[in-house]
Amino acid sequence: AQSVTQLGSHVSVSEGALVLLRCNYSSSVPPYLFWYVQYPNQGLQLLLKYTSAATLVKGINGFEAEFKKSETSFHLTKPSAHMSDAAEYFCAVRLLTGNQFYFGTGTSLTVIP
Amino acid sequence: KAGVTQTPRYLIKTRGQQVTLSCSPISGHRSVSWYQQTPGQGLQFLFEYFSETQRNKGNFPGRFSGRQFSNSRSEMNVSTLELGDSALYLCASSPLGQNTGELFFGEGSRLTVL
Repeated sequence: AQSVTQLGSHVSVSEGALVLLRCNYSSSVPPYLFWYVQYPNQGLQLLLKYTSAATLVKGINGFEAEFKKSETSFHLTKPSAHMSDAAEYFCAVRLLTGNQFYFGTGTSLTVIP
Repeated sequence: KAGVTQTPRYLIKTRGQQVTLSCSPISGHRSVSWYQQTPGQGLQFLFEYFSETQRNKGNFPGRFSGRQFSNSRSEMNVSTLELGDSALYLCASSPLGQNTGELFFGEGSRLTVL
């Protein structure tokens, strides 16, 4: 069975500091990988996705993620946190066949002024 | 293009009642998936529909059911509600034919069971 692990259910950073949210997946075959963000009382919005092209993927709002096959990781980073980045972040995988997604349990990001 | 629309956004029910939630996907999207989101469990996959057929189903009891209509709109139903069914129910659509496609989410229906 697929699993997606997000280390750290809560992460706090100071405004202007580096944001690093961790995601590891269990598939033996590199899947498609996604990061979503959820603001309070809203649905999930796509930040970025990896689909076997470039291993460094740039997304919206200054976020980027790097796919590392050897580490089965897809960590999300942003060089400088902004107050508006405070939200819940979900990592997800989709296998190469089929349309089923598997989500991590989420990481709540707090930005301290 | 209009996004995924879910109705109602908020609802309160009591134990034993049933509830029906509705989802209108993005125009042209033929796949609709449903997820249950709770603070402790994250997003749990309920089921996925494509062309009015359920293609995948998560590990939920039979009280949870769904259907999809010919216009791709989908409904999910929960019968004999329990307190533990209180959650945010998210609908997501995707355009099949793009194997790398992502899910597009609605804002959810927040169900409170008293």
